Amino acid sequence: DAGVIQSPRHEVTEMGQEVTLRCKPISGHDYLFWYRQTMMRGLELLIYFNNNVPIDDSGMPEDRFSAKMPNASFSTLKIQPSEPRDSAVYFCASSLVRTRNTIYFGEGSWLTVV
Amino acid sequence: DQQVKQNSPSLSVQEGRISILNCDYTNSMFDYFLWYKKYPAEGPTFLISISSIKDKNEDGRFTVFLNKSAKHLSLHIVPSQPGDSAVYFCAGGGGGADGLTFGKGTHLIIQP
Repeated sequence: DAGVIQSPRHEVTEMGQEVTLRCKPISGHDYLFWYRQTMMRGLELLIYFNNNVPIDDSGMPEDRFSAKMPNASFSTLKIQPSEPRDSAVYFCASSLVRTRNTIYFGEGSWLTVV
Repeated sequence: DQQVKQNSPSLSVQEGRISILNCDYTNSMFDYFLWYKKYPAEGPTFLISISSIKDKNEDGRFTVFLNKSAKHLSLHIVPSQPGDSAVYFCAGGGGGADGLTFGKGTHLIIQP
């Protein structure tokens, strides 16, 4: 069974450009999470959805960040405009509501903003 | 303010010996704790968990200990193997909130 699928795996973009990261959660999972990993802050929760509805976006750093989940099998994280300090690995993860203490991560999208 | 703290960025252990990774937390509302393991260029994968009502959980070479009064947990790996070299994240969850709160991770290096 396929795990959480993220794209792109690597993205290099210039400051000011729009970046869109994509995620396909595990089929049947009710929760979808977006995390960001940096050396300074480790793994931070940015936003999560339950049944496609955003529940908590308090971790989103600024208005430049937005996330959507138009259906149960797809989510996007958008950064517009991007800045060098946004460079990080962005992970999407999903879980079943009854086992939400165990979440499954994708392989991550490595973003570099120059 | 970090709710989950892993104060050792890295740890080096000889193959065959015991590896002990430590984690402290401040949120007393956490219902459960987990350890995730991460290899380079891969996403974190679940390793072992413990409920807040227990003080020990064992799975093969991996044992997690929880000391609620000290708000401290540790992961023991015995014996350590080269494939255990990875970054280990401690996480807390529950207490009415969804998702997990992670520490910054500890890079475990197993030396031959």
